[in-house]
Amino acid sequence: AAGVIQSPRHLIKEKRETATLKCYPIPRHDTVYWYQQGPGQDPQFLISFYEKMQSDKGSIPDRFSAQQFSDYHSELNMSSLELGDSALYFCASSLLARNTQYFGPGTRLTVL
Amino acid sequence: GENVEQHPSTLSVQEGDSAVIKCTYSDSASNYFPWYKQELGKGPQLIIDIRSNVGEKKDQRIAVTLNKTAKHFSLHITETQPEDSAVYFCAASRNNAGNMLTFGGGTRLMVKP
Repeated sequence: AAGVIQSPRHLIKEKRETATLKCYPIPRHDTVYWYQQGPGQDPQFLISFYEKMQSDKGSIPDRFSAQQFSDYHSELNMSSLELGDSALYFCASSLLARNTQYFGPGTRLTVL
Repeated sequence: GENVEQHPSTLSVQEGDSAVIKCTYSDSASNYFPWYKQELGKGPQLIIDIRSNVGEKKDQRIAVTLNKTAKHFSLHITETQPEDSAVYFCAASRNNAGNMLTFGGGTRLMVKP
C-alpha cells in the first residue's frame, strides 16, 4: 500500500539559512500534519491542514510556515534556521472522517 | 491543553513474556487513543488504536484497554519476540478535523532472546 512520502530524507543547512520540506500524503487522504521530534523525545505537533486550510496549530515557531496545495501535498518552510531546529520532521496524513494518522519516514534536518 | 504521561520509560522482557505499557491523559474531551511503534531512524508506525466508545480492542498479540473514567489506557503485547524491540508511543486526540496528537514520552521495549 502507498505510504506518506517525504523529501528530502536528509538535509544539512547552515545557521540562518532556509529549508523547505515536502510531504506527499497517502492517495485520497485530505489532511496533513507536521511534527518535530528531537533526539530521544516524543513527536511534537507543529501544524495541520485540511483541504488547504490550516486546521490546528501547535508549537510552530513564527520562523516556520506551511501550506497545503491543491494536490494535497504540503510544504514546511523554515527560515533563519537555528541549531535547535536540528531534528526529525515527520509528516502524517489522514482521512478527515477518521483522524487516523499515518506517518512518513521523516526528514532529518541538521543545522550546522 | 492535553497532557499524556507514559510509563515505564524503559522495559526489558524475556522473549515469550508479556509487556504492558500504561498511559494517562488529562483532557476529558480526548476520545481517540492510538499506539505507535518507532524503530530507530524510522517514522512512527500505527500498531493499534481505540476510540472512546470501546473499552478494549485486540489484534493478534496486541491489545489495548481504555478506562475513560480513570483517564488511562494500556498496551498489552503477549508472546513478545525480539522484533518487538522498539520505542512505543501512546497518544491522545480529540477526534475532530485535523486535530493534533499529543504523545506520551515513549517506552523503550527490549525483548531479550
